[in-house]
Amino acid sequence: GQQLNQSPQSMFIQEGEDVSMNCTSSSIFNTWLWYKQDPGEGPVLLIALYKAGELTSNGRLTAQFGITRKDSFLNISASIPSDVGIYFCAGLNSGGGADGLTFGKGTHLIIQP
Amino acid sequence: SQTIHQWPATLVQPVGSPLSLECTVEGTSNPNLYWYRQAAGRGLQLLFYSVGIGQISSEVPQNLSASRPQDRQFILSSKKLLLSDSGFYLCAWRTGPKAFFGQGTRLTVV
Repeated sequence: GQQLNQSPQSMFIQEGEDVSMNCTSSSIFNTWLWYKQDPGEGPVLLIALYKAGELTSNGRLTAQFGITRKDSFLNISASIPSDVGIYFCAGLNSGGGADGLTFGKGTHLIIQP
Repeated sequence: SQTIHQWPATLVQPVGSPLSLECTVEGTSNPNLYWYRQAAGRGLQLLFYSVGIGQISSEVPQNLSASRPQDRQFILSSKKLLLSDSGFYLCAWRTGPKAFFGQGTRLTVV
């Protein structure tokens, strides 16, 4: 089946630092989605990307749809304590299992005081 | 607007007991529905998905089953729970390119 390689697995940063994470795949996707999960809750959709090269922002978050359509990136600027959580990428295409929706394994963001 | 309801929020069940988790979606029709399981601090493991009433695809063979008796209702069941069934269960839905999750059920099998 399709796989998304999400990295890094964990990030330990200081408050105020910028954060970068990415997802890569050998498969082409038509849509990229980025989610954040707080402890004990369901993931919440942050940003959706629909076209290769697209750059979309949501507050301090910026995500990009890679031009090869095989990768996507999420950046968080000036991190704050409430940014702590698990970030998931997801790719959607017309092929593959689970009707084409595939999730990465997540990036744990930990902010050190 | 669309909403998803998942219950119960937490559940403690003895080994060998049955399980029924329910998920319903409001404000949309003919959604794709999903059940995921998440171990503590880990990724999302897809268990089942459904593209229509009575249509269930199983991604991982295990002690669980799923049913979709109505368009916007998705049920996760087990006849006899195992210790290894403990985890955080998430229901999700999708009608377009975006997927949305419920709040999750924390299941502890003791």
